[in-house]
Amino acid sequence: EAGVVQSPRYKIIEKKQPVAFWCNPISGHNTLYWYRQNLGQGPELLIRYENEEAVDDSQLPKDRFSAERLKGVDSTLKIQPAELGDSAVYLCASSPLHEQFFGPGTRLTVL
Amino acid sequence: KQEVTQIPAALSVPEGENLVLNCSFTDSAIYNLQWFRQDPGKGLTSLLLIQSSQREQTSGRLNASLDKSSGRSTLYIAASQPGDSATYLCAVSRGGGADGLTFGKGTHLIIQP
Repeated sequence: EAGVVQSPRYKIIEKKQPVAFWCNPISGHNTLYWYRQNLGQGPELLIRYENEEAVDDSQLPKDRFSAERLKGVDSTLKIQPAELGDSAVYLCASSPLHEQFFGPGTRLTVL
Repeated sequence: KQEVTQIPAALSVPEGENLVLNCSFTDSAIYNLQWFRQDPGKGLTSLLLIQSSQREQTSGRLNASLDKSSGRSTLYIAASQPGDSATYLCAVSRGGGADGLTFGKGTHLIIQP
């Protein structure tokens, strides 16, 4: 069974530029999560989807971050404009019910 | 607000030793607890999931226990191997079902050959 797929794996941009991350969850998993992990810290939840609906986006900085999950499968997380403090690893996870399975992450560096 | 603490932050032991990693959480009203390992530059690999009604789970050389009332979980690794070297993260669900996880900062484990 294929795992959670994320792309790109690495991204380097200058501040104020836009950036987008893509996630393809495990087939059949209705719940999808985006987390952000800063260096030396555990991941922190940004947004959770149940199918197409964002059911928990309370931790998403809505002034510059947006996300979508069209057709309840793939998801895209966007930052516009990026700031220096956005440098982190962005992790996507999916779940069939309780257990969460993570992708390899996208490491973002903002210069 | 739920807070998860992992002790120790780092641990280095010789190969073959049995070891225990500790996790504590401030709000005992959790739905489940999950242990992960993270290798450098990689994503998280799920090791064990303990639901709130369970006391422990086992997978191979790994055993995780959960004491909800005291807000504690332990991950026991038997007969450690160099391949066990990684960061181990503990996470609790914030509510029911598929809610997002609240993570600790992890324990960085090094097994010396």
